[in-house]
Amino acid sequence: AQKVTQAQTEISVVEKEDVTLDCVYETRDTTYYLFWYKQPPSGELVFLIRRNSFDEQNEISGRYSWNFQKSTSSFNFTITASQVVDSAVYFCALSEKNTDKLIFGTGTRLQVFP
Amino acid sequence: KAGVTQTPRYLIKTRGQQVTLSCSPISGHRSVSWYQQTPGQGLQFLFEYFSETQRNKGNFPGRFSGRQFSNSRSEMNVSTLELGDSALYLCASSLAGGSYGYTFGSGTRLTVV
Repeated sequence: AQKVTQAQTEISVVEKEDVTLDCVYETRDTTYYLFWYKQPPSGELVFLIRRNSFDEQNEISGRYSWNFQKSTSSFNFTITASQVVDSAVYFCALSEKNTDKLIFGTGTRLQVFP
Repeated sequence: KAGVTQTPRYLIKTRGQQVTLSCSPISGHRSVSWYQQTPGQGLQFLFEYFSETQRNKGNFPGRFSGRQFSNSRSEMNVSTLELGDSALYLCASSLAGGSYGYTFGSGTRLTVV
């Protein structure tokens, strides 16, 4: 069965701290896709990254970086030098090859204080 | 280019009524999915349409239905509304499905009283 676990319900940090959001997934498929989305108070889910199961390269985009490890079924997200604008709920999601639907984790609420 | 447009943004309905929500996908995107977000259940998949055909359906009662038009615009309908249907309904569009990634709209917040 497919499942995404985000064990951290809420994280609070002070601006400029680094923070890592954890994501662990379960799937029996060998081809799958992993995503991270950001949901600000406005409600829209903002796409951050998509990674397919055959690409284990870590990725860095500005202050954001992602660590994908198939051996531990994890796809963790790190924000370096956090800013107040990073405050939001972050969702990790999984999509298997032939299902065309996203299975979301329960989300991690990140609060960055000035 | 324009993003995913959902209308209306907010809606208040009474128990027993029905409601129709609309979603216009990004131009060129042929796949439209719908998700329900509630504090208790989180984000749950409702259904997905591709070229006017429903390809996938989540675990929701038959009161929840949808359709997609030839221009890829989609509507979802909820009949005989219950208090528990109060939620944020999010629409996502994709070129052709999961492997291409999804772009979400701002959602329709439905309140059932």
